[in-house]
This record gives sequence, structure tokens and C-alpha cells, in this order.
Amino acid sequence: AQSVTQPDIHITVSEGASLELRCNYSYGATPYLFWYVQSPGQGLQLLLKYFSGDTLVQGIKGFEAEFKRSQSSFNLRKPSVHWSDAAEYFCAVGAMDNNDMRFGAGTRLTVKP
Amino acid sequence: GAVVSQHPSWVICKSGTSVKIECRSLDFQATTMFWYRQFPKQSLMLMATSNEGSKATYEQGVEKDKFLINHASLTLSTLTVTSAHPEDSSFYICSARDLGMGHYNSPLHFGNGTRLTVT
Repeated sequence: AQSVTQPDIHITVSEGASLELRCNYSYGATPYLFWYVQSPGQGLQLLLKYFSGDTLVQGIKGFEAEFKRSQSSFNLRKPSVHWSDAAEYFCAVGAMDNNDMRFGAGTRLTVKP
Repeated sequence: GAVVSQHPSWVICKSGTSVKIECRSLDFQATTMFWYRQFPKQSLMLMATSNEGSKATYEQGVEKDKFLINHASLTLSTLTVTSAHPEDSSFYICSARDLGMGHYNSPLHFGNGTRLTVT
């Protein structure tokens, strides 16, 4: 079964600074990878997804992520963070042979003014 | 886009009572829905997979008699927390995948969650 790890529990960046959130996955074949964002007391909103093709994917709100098979990673990036980006971010991995999806522990992003 | 509606958004109940949470896919059919539990500042813990027209599949350690799941139609799944106790207080989130868009690479669409507080 697939699994995913988010090494950073909490990250603080200054507004306007760049951001990178790390995600590592484990799966024997090509995974389906997703990043979700969760605001306090809310459900999860899809930021972007990857399952084939160009390894650099663009998402909503100015986010992008790059799939690196050699590193089993799918890190999320944003060139300039806005205060409204403060939230919890979850990386998730799905698989082609099952309907399951596994979530990382999440990374809480704090944005300093 | 695909929308999943979850109701209620929050509920307070007394210990020993039962609470029902509804999860609806509004513009697509969902043969499968997922129920998660989320503890404060933690990730989502998959509780069970709800299958339309058949029994739910529960994750290890989740009490099926405690958390009753019914998936009576292609657009509705319900989670009933029976004989609730304070330790059941949590944030419960449902999700569904629009398989009409493809296979398992379709993203999950989430409800906004239900905050359950048992007093």
C-alpha cells in the first residue's frame, strides 16, 4: 500500500518570502499525488494533482509542485507567500490499483507579517 | 466543479445520545465515500469506506457498532455516532471521488467537516 511522509510539522515564513513544503511518498508504481489545503474548521481544498505527464504541475492560488521520481518527492512551492496562505497543508498519495488515498501528517504554515 | 456537502457543520450532544452526520455529493454520483476523523492539529485518520448498496469497510481499530455507516444512494452516505461519549468529540470529514471523471487519479472532494462535541 502507498504511504506519504511530510517531514515538517510546522513552518513559519515571512509574507512575501518563498515557500517549499516537503512531501515524500512510498509506492511501487507511478503514484497519484495531491496537495490539499485546510483552513481552520474547514474541509480540504485541492491545490493541485499529478498522475502523469509534465512533472511540474501548476495549481490554484499560485502554488506549484514538482514530481521527482528519483527522490520519491512531490514538494509544494510558492514564490511569494501571502498572509492568507496560512493554513494546514496535506500531501496525499493515491494508487492506480486501489481506491485508497493516504494522507501525510500535514504541515502547518504560519505567515509572519 | 464537484461539490460535497456535509451536514451539520457542528453539533453538541449529551453523552449517551446518537448523532447522525450526512454527506452528499451534489453534482456527481459517488459509489464510494470516505469518512475521516481528525484530531486537533493532526492528520486525517481514515475511519471507513462507505460503499453504496453494501456494507462499509472499516479500518482497523474503528468500532463498526459505534460508528454506523449507511450509503443508501449514489449521492448520500451517513455516519451515525451511537451512544456518544466525550472521547468521541472530534472533527469528522467525509469525501468522495467522482469516478465519472476517470479512474483512481480523480481527486477526492471533501465536505466542510462536522465538529462534534459530546458533553
